[in-house]
Amino acid sequence: EDQVTQSPEALRLQEGESSSLNCSYTVSGLRGLFWYRQDPGKGPEFLFTLYSAGEEKEKERLKATLTKKESFLHITAPKPEDSATYLCAVQALGTKIIFGSGTRLSIRP
Amino acid sequence: NAGVTQTPKFQVLKTGQSMTLQCAQDMNHEYMSWYRQDPGMGLRLIHYSVGAGITDQGEVPNGYNVSRSTTEDFPLRLLSAAPSQTSVYFCASSPRQGGGGGELFFGEGSRLTVL
Repeated sequence: EDQVTQSPEALRLQEGESSSLNCSYTVSGLRGLFWYRQDPGKGPEFLFTLYSAGEEKEKERLKATLTKKESFLHITAPKPEDSATYLCAVQALGTKIIFGSGTRLSIRP
Repeated sequence: NAGVTQTPKFQVLKTGQSMTLQCAQDMNHEYMSWYRQDPGMGLRLIHYSVGAGITDQGEVPNGYNVSRSTTEDFPLRLLSAAPSQTSVYFCASSPRQGGGGGELFFGEGSRLTVL
């Protein structure tokens, strides 16, 4: 059964304190791994797609990396506006896109 | 450009009542889907569609029906609401054929409470 697990569930950082979020997955044939950001009361917003092990994508203070079993979302020198829930999702063979339960990130000024 | 529009934003139902959550997109996306989001459980796929006239089940389809008569609209029907269906529902669409690429565009959500 395809599965996506995110850790930690919640993470509190000081402004400027870099860290990483983890997404581990088990799927039968990975077509793509995706990261989303979700603000309270809003729908998720697409950030990145990663297709193969070794691939990296960057956007401002965020960098996503992918291995054969997990993905990391690295946050460098975060700011309070980076506070949100970050969701990981995978697409295996077929068309279903399955999400993890998310990491709630809080950045203190 | 409105993107993905969901109505209503809030709804309270009594157990056993039926209702339809509406979803419309104006981006000519072939792929559309419905998710529910519950605390600590993330987003779970209910039903999805890869084009007009084609629908399929996701992870948690029981208690929900869908249809796709046009490219733009993908309504979600609750035939007999149960308290376990209290949740926030999100509709999402993708420009990729078959949903490939994972770039889903989400609506703002519909918060449903079943008493």
